[in-house]
Amino acid sequence: GDSVTQMEGPVTLSEEAFLTINCTYTATGYPSLFWYVQYPGEGLQLLLKATKADDKGSNKGFEATYRKETTSFHLEKGSVQVSDSAVYFCALSPYNFNKFYFGSGTKLNVKP
Amino acid sequence: KAGVTQTPRYLIKTRGQQVTLSCSPISGHRSVSWYQQTPGQGLQFLFEYFSETQRNKGNFPGRFSGRQFSNSRSEMNVSTLELGDSALYLCASSGETGTSGNTIYFGEGSWLTVV
Repeated sequence: GDSVTQMEGPVTLSEEAFLTINCTYTATGYPSLFWYVQYPGEGLQLLLKATKADDKGSNKGFEATYRKETTSFHLEKGSVQVSDSAVYFCALSPYNFNKFYFGSGTKLNVKP
Repeated sequence: KAGVTQTPRYLIKTRGQQVTLSCSPISGHRSVSWYQQTPGQGLQFLFEYFSETQRNKGNFPGRFSGRQFSNSRSEMNVSTLELGDSALYLCASSGETGTSGNTIYFGEGSWLTVV
């Protein structure tokens, strides 16, 4: 069945460090891929998405490229800020309307 | 434009009771879906409604049910509550109508504690 696996956290970085959060997926067909972010006490917010292979999603300095050959959608940011501290979720949406499968989430702590 | 609104935000129930949670989607959105978030199981899909019809269902027991009204507002109900039902219940809505790739927008959730 469809599933998402993402690296376990927490990930602790110093401000301005480079960030990578790994995400791989299993799916039949060609799903769309998403990254959502959850700040403490809030719901999830869309960070970026890609709907087909080789697409790159980007937003607020974050990027992720849909790699069909490696079934991956790794999240990267060149220079993190303290305000980026949150939990990041990788998700896929197969050809089944709005039924999403989420990874377990990766908590990011950025220290000044 | 108002976001997804969920009520109540926090509630405590006793084992065996039932609970109803409410969700008002973003204006104009016709798809509403529900997720359960727990530390152990993460985010799990419960069901999705579109134009008052259940279009998708996750792997939850029949104690979990939902419905959608003609104004797209949705409710979910959990009967015969168990301790394991303690969770954050998230509602999400979408205004896109494709078969995939639609962005879903989440509310802040309803925190349910079963004692």
